[in-house]
Amino acid sequence: KAGVTQTPRYLIKTRGQQVTLSCSPISGHRSVSWYQQTPGQGLQFLFEYFSETQRNKGNFPGRFSGRQFSNSRSEMNVSTLELGDSALYLCASSLAQAGDIEKLFFGSGTQLSVL
Amino acid sequence: GESVGLHLPTLSVQEGDNSIINCAYSNSASDYFIWYKQESGKGPQFIIDIRSNMDKRQGQRVTVLLNKTVKHLSLQIAATQPGDSAVYFCAEVSGGYQKVTFGTGTKLQVIP
Repeated sequence: KAGVTQTPRYLIKTRGQQVTLSCSPISGHRSVSWYQQTPGQGLQFLFEYFSETQRNKGNFPGRFSGRQFSNSRSEMNVSTLELGDSALYLCASSLAQAGDIEKLFFGSGTQLSVL
Repeated sequence: GESVGLHLPTLSVQEGDNSIINCAYSNSASDYFIWYKQESGKGPQFIIDIRSNMDKRQGQRVTVLLNKTVKHLSLQIAATQPGDSAVYFCAEVSGGYQKVTFGTGTKLQVIP
């Protein structure tokens, strides 16, 4: 079974631009979560989607948004990029079965550099 | 200006020795705890989990201990191997719906 796939692996953008990152979860997984990882702040939760609905949101500005498609694939978008948005963006998927707490399976991430 | 990089605590262990990685969590209402391992260039990998109604759980070469009184979690790795070199994160889950809060991480260096 293929793991969580994130594309692109690396991305270089300039301030003010916008970026879209893609995540394909493990087949059959319905929940997709996004995390930002930086040396200064560690791993921080961005948002979580289940059945195309955002169920949970972290403490990030509105420039960060996401969506999930009917096939569970997810995208996140960052608009008006700032230097501080440079980070590794990680996507994680899980089965999200009702009544159980699920293990998260992470992709290798997209390394975003904002110049 | 640039933010100061997070200084990860580092644990250096001789190959074959046991490792103990500690973590303090913040939310006494958290009902589930997880340890993840992150190797360079990869995303975090699940190692072992424990529910809040337990105080110990064992896996293959790993044991997690939970002390709810002092909100402390530890990961014990037996017979540490070079392949165990990585950054280890504890995480707490509360409120359901996959909202996972990660600790700052500990870097484990295994000396051959």
